Amino acid sequence: GENVEQHPSTLSVQEGDSAVIKCTYSDSASNYFPWYKQELGKRPQLIIDIRSNVGEKKDQRIAVTLNKTAKHFSLHITETQPEDSAVYFCAAEHSSSNTGKLIFGQGTTLQVKP
Amino acid sequence: ETGVTQTPRHLVMGMTNKKSLKCEQHLGHNAMYWYKQSAKKPLELMFVYNFKEQTENNSVPSRFSPECPNSSHLFLHLHTLQPEDSALYLCASSPQTSLLTGELFFGEGSRLTVL
Repeated sequence: GENVEQHPSTLSVQEGDSAVIKCTYSDSASNYFPWYKQELGKRPQLIIDIRSNVGEKKDQRIAVTLNKTAKHFSLHITETQPEDSAVYFCAAEHSSSNTGKLIFGQGTTLQVKP
Repeated sequence: ETGVTQTPRHLVMGMTNKKSLKCEQHLGHNAMYWYKQSAKKPLELMFVYNFKEQTENNSVPSRFSPECPNSSHLFLHLHTLQPEDSALYLCASSPQTSLLTGELFFGEGSRLTVL
């Protein structure tokens, strides 16, 4: 079945530095790739997503890149701030099946040190 | 109230108890979901409902029994659970099951502890 691998599991950066989280997926039919941020004790919230017909998408300090050939996608956070500290999850959906079945990665705990 | 609301936020139960988790969404969405979040494991999809009909059961043990009386409400009935079922249970909703039409919106979760 579909599998999503996410790395690293933990990431510590200095405030102002960039952070990169990478995911690979197994099902070549996947065509929707969201990223969720979960702060401690809070619900996961969508921060950015990308569809398979796009190679890159940017929203202020956050960007996501997608390489369909290699079946991997990455989250880039620039000029990190302490409030970026959270667990980040990537996910992939096999949209042609129309089931809403999102497969999540294991999560990356990002710590931004002031 | 807006968004996805889950009750109770915390639940402690014994292995022989019967309890239920409730989820209500005020977003006008047609699809609802139950996810399980355990420590150091990915979010696991349990069930998907689309227009009140179950469209996905991800091989969930029968001690978890979902119920979706309408597109706004979703329940998870719990019976004879095991300690390893202790986890955060997240409800979510989306406009349609195809997430290309709109995002998956999560509730705050119900933290379940089975003694």
